[in-house]
Amino acid sequence: AQTVTQSQPEMSVQEAETVTLSCTYDTSESDYYLFWYKQPPSRQMILVIRQEAYKQQNATENRFSVNFQKAAKSFSLKISDSQLGDAAMYFCAYRRPYYGGSQGNLIFGKGTKLSVKP
Amino acid sequence: DVKVTQSSRYLVKRTGEKVFLECVQDMDHENMFWYRQDPGLGLRLIYFSYDVKMKEKGDIPEGYSVSREKKERFSLILESASTNQTSMYLCASENSAHEQYFGPGTRLTVT
Repeated sequence: AQTVTQSQPEMSVQEAETVTLSCTYDTSESDYYLFWYKQPPSRQMILVIRQEAYKQQNATENRFSVNFQKAAKSFSLKISDSQLGDAAMYFCAYRRPYYGGSQGNLIFGKGTKLSVKP
Repeated sequence: DVKVTQSSRYLVKRTGEKVFLECVQDMDHENMFWYRQDPGLGLRLIYFSYDVKMKEKGDIPEGYSVSREKKERFSLILESASTNQTSMYLCASENSAHEQYFGPGTRLTVT
């Protein structure tokens, strides 16, 4: 069974600095998707970034980028120029590319709580 | 803009009551999901649906059932609420790129 591990329960960063959140996963599949989701204190979960396992190029969305290391099964999120609004719980998630059946769900890590200091 | 709505933000029910949580999406997505979120446990999948009237059990389906009569609506039912079902419930809808869009959540308290 696939598992997702986020080893940092809490992280802190100074405003305008860069922070990296770690995520590792365990799978025997070769084709899959990885995501980072953000959940601010208002509780609505928001998609931050998406990576397809067959793509070698790391995904980037504005100040957010990932370092995807397929062989190491590592998928870290880098936040550049951190802003106060980045303070949230961040979840790493894994999904197999199938529809229906018991394979069709996201598997989430337990999350990393990011604090941003002014 | 993608929109997923849930019927209530906060709900308080008594033990033994039947509870309905409603979720509606406006993106014509086929896949919809119900998760519960508990501190220290992250998000756990209860049920999901990949089409109208089609459903699959997730990791923790015991004590829950679901209904999907129309594509845009996915309901979670607690047949007889218990205190251990006190939790945050999140609904999600998924597009063809496997990106899930979440509703605002329902904080359910069972007393």
